[in-house]
Amino acid sequence: QVQLVQSGAEVKKPGASVKVSCKASGYSFSTFGLNWVRQAPGQTLEWMGWISTLHGNTNYAQNFKGRVTITTDASTSTAYMELRGLRSDDTAIYYCARDDFYFDYWGQGTLVTVSS
Amino acid sequence: DIVMTQSPATLSVSPGERATLSCRASQSINNNLAWYQQRPGQAPRLLINDASTRATGVPARFSGSGSGTEFTLTISSLQPEDFAVYFCQQYYKWPFTFGPGTEVDIK
Repeated sequence: QVQLVQSGAEVKKPGASVKVSCKASGYSFSTFGLNWVRQAPGQTLEWMGWISTLHGNTNYAQNFKGRVTITTDASTSTAYMELRGLRSDDTAIYYCARDDFYFDYWGQGTLVTVSS
Repeated sequence: DIVMTQSPATLSVSPGERATLSCRASQSINNNLAWYQQRPGQAPRLLINDASTRATGVPARFSGSGSGTEFTLTISSLQPEDFAVYFCQQYYKWPFTFGPGTEVDIK
């Protein structure tokens, strides 16, 4: 069965960086794109960016351009999202989600807490 | 960016009753709309894509309709497991955007 398994919770200080992983299984990794979506406490969902797992090209939301990098390692069927210059309002659950347009499978989420 | 709005913010419904949730886009998005259900402490779950296509394994009591700027999710007879928050998402244009959500709670 399709699974996206993310890395564990992180606590970071303001200004630091965080790198969250998302390991895919149960399907051919390069067949579907991967997205990162975050959700601040009690808030709606916010799309951060997308990567083509076939070609490696990316598209990022303007809100995150310059601070976020999404990469993949096809040899391990894993995607990564790195967010730099963390601020307190980056405290959120970060999800990876499969597919290029709508998101049919989601990771379990990774809580990133930014606190001094 | 395309702004998505949802109404109502909260919908109080008795089990077995029908629930109708609305989603509006700030510009036409054709039928490039998805609906998600999110239960507390869980990741979102895809219910509907392309405005009206049920995702794999989604019960027939969930149906979607609409095109352009106005969309509706209908739950024909609410089951206990359906009390959750529902989000709509447009994928007509990057950046993909979500609505603020409708919470369906028990009346």
